[in-house]
Amino acid sequence: NAGVTQTPKFQVLKTGQSMTLQCAQDMNHNSMYWYRQDPGMGLRLIYYSASEGTTDKGEVPNGYNVSRLNKREFSLRLESAAPSQTSVYFCASSVSTVNTEAFFGQGTRLTVV
Amino acid sequence: GQQLNQSPQSMFIQEGEDVSMNCTSSSIFNTWLWYKQEPGEGPVLLIALYKAGELTSNGRLTAQFGITRKDSFLNISASIPSDVGIYFCAGPISGTYKYIFGTGTRLKVLA
Repeated sequence: NAGVTQTPKFQVLKTGQSMTLQCAQDMNHNSMYWYRQDPGMGLRLIYYSASEGTTDKGEVPNGYNVSRLNKREFSLRLESAAPSQTSVYFCASSVSTVNTEAFFGQGTRLTVV
Repeated sequence: GQQLNQSPQSMFIQEGEDVSMNCTSSSIFNTWLWYKQEPGEGPVLLIALYKAGELTSNGRLTAQFGITRKDSFLNISASIPSDVGIYFCAGPISGTYKYIFGTGTRLKVLA
């Protein structure tokens, strides 16, 4: 079972470059999330999509945009990467946003130089 | 912004010892979830709690949903080396769709 698949697994960007992190889930989940995890810290919510067609800001949305392309896919875009965006990014999905567990991808390790 | 504070931040224990950690919030939660993250992996759910006062076990793990709905506790009995990892509490902020994580408790088990 694939579950939640993130691509790429690793990426190095130069400051100012743009890129899109891809996430897809095959569990027919309604809700999807993007988190970032910095060394020694917990996961901070960047954006989430409660259901197909909706997206909302999380705790740290600045510098990011998202697209819920369809029920399966939720992408995260960095328009102009900054060193402060060096982090490990996790995508997750859940049946809904309330009272259910979230399943996580393997993460994307992004370095901005 | 909203935070879930976990304590302790880290623990070094001997194999066979019991472990206790907790998670507190300034806001009410209707769901508490406990995750474990191993190096290079995403978090994996250990236990989910849905009612205030609820006590739930999963093998050697036991978690409780605090009656104030602002805290939760996780206990691990008779720790083993594979318990090593970071343990996170998490949940959707009541009345919102924001699913947030605690600061984490890093556990190391010495054989």
